[in-house]
Amino acid sequence: EIVLTQSPATLSLSPGERATLSCRASQGVVSYLGWYQQKPGQAPRLLIYDASNRATGIPPRFSGSWSGTDFTLTISSLEPEDSAVYYCQQRYAWYTFGQGTKLEI
Amino acid sequence: EVQLVESGGGLVQPGGSLRLSCAASGFAFSSYLMHWVRQAPGKGPVWVSRVSRSETDVSNTAYAGFVEGRFTTSRDNAKDTVYLQMSSLRAEDTAVYYCAREFSPFSTPIRYFDLWGRGTLVTVSS
Repeated sequence: EIVLTQSPATLSLSPGERATLSCRASQGVVSYLGWYQQKPGQAPRLLIYDASNRATGIPPRFSGSWSGTDFTLTISSLEPEDSAVYYCQQRYAWYTFGQGTKLEI
Repeated sequence: EVQLVESGGGLVQPGGSLRLSCAASGFAFSSYLMHWVRQAPGKGPVWVSRVSRSETDVSNTAYAGFVEGRFTTSRDNAKDTVYLQMSSLRAEDTAVYYCAREFSPFSTPIRYFDLWGRGTLVTVSS
């Protein structure tokens, strides 16, 4: 099973700042990794698929990148509503999720 | 409105059974692979199962290893509904169970989940 390790566990930033969230895969997954946002009491929402493609309706302040087995979700200018837990998910071999990064604004 | 609505969760004793349902609306249900994903309190999501587009095609039906033959997923395209029959339930099966649609840009499924329900809570406890 491919294990995804997210860091940091918690990130506290202010509105307007830039957030950088990381996800490392235990083995190569090519670019087959996505990112989700989950707010309390809600289901996850797909933000990014295949490392760098924004899903429908996702604002351009959300972007993804990757190098080898390291993936990054960047939120360029934080807004209060970006407070949430963010999960990565790989699709290279079945489906596994990371343990999440809690972003506090 | 495009949505998924789960039902059927509740409290069940260890070793018991439960059947979850997920009603879809607002999209061409039979065109999509459908999944169940669960999430224990404070944990990340975990994929549970996938059901084929066709009710009679089992080739694309699959389960996570921890299911170990205890769960069965099915669908009724006439009712736009997907099911998860769970038996031999264990305490570690306690979670919110979400129904999710597989993301299919350009009509090709690519193993992400672009539509989720609100979930139904399953609690396994004596």
